[in-house]
Amino acid sequence: KAGVTQTPRYLIKTRGQQVTLSCSPISGHRSVSWYQQTPGQGLQFLFEYFSETQRNKGNFPGRFSGRQFSNSRSEMNVSTLELGDSALYLCASSLNTNNEQFFGPGTRLTVL
Amino acid sequence: EDQVTQSPEALRLQEGESSSLNCSYTVSGLRGLFWYRQDPGKGPEFLFTLYSAGEEKEKERLKATLTKKESFLHITAPKPEDSATYLCAVQGSGAGSYQLTFGKGTKLSVIP
Repeated sequence: KAGVTQTPRYLIKTRGQQVTLSCSPISGHRSVSWYQQTPGQGLQFLFEYFSETQRNKGNFPGRFSGRQFSNSRSEMNVSTLELGDSALYLCASSLNTNNEQFFGPGTRLTVL
Repeated sequence: EDQVTQSPEALRLQEGESSSLNCSYTVSGLRGLFWYRQDPGKGPEFLFTLYSAGEEKEKERLKATLTKKESFLHITAPKPEDSATYLCAVQGSGAGSYQLTFGKGTKLSVIP
């Protein structure tokens, strides 16, 4: 069974640009969550989607947004990039809310 | 607000030297406590889910236990390949019930 896939694996952008990251969950998983991981803050929750609906959002500015498609694939977008947005962005999928989450390899975003 | 504190931040062990990692948590209604292992540059790998105080789970050299305030990850006779960062996360039943709240992890180094 294929795991969670994320594309691209690496991105380099400059301040002010916008970026879109993609996540394909494990087949059959309907919940997709996004996390930001930095050395200082660790893993921080961005948002969670289930059946195309955002059910919860973390404490991040409105520049961070996401969506989920009918096939459960998800994208997150960051607009007007700042240097502090440099991080590993992780996507995780689960069957449902109370099930364990399985993580993808992440997208390493560097903002110059 | 759910909170997770892991200790120690870093731990160096000789191969075969058993030890324990600690995860203290505060949560409004525990739905689940999760342990993950993360290798450098990779996404977290799921290890265990614990749901109620007194529960224990084992996998190879790892054993996770849970009380009402903390969880322990016991590592018996570790090998160099057990070197990784171990992350603890909780899922509560409050406002953030669709997210995992992570600790900052314990970086384990096992020396041959």
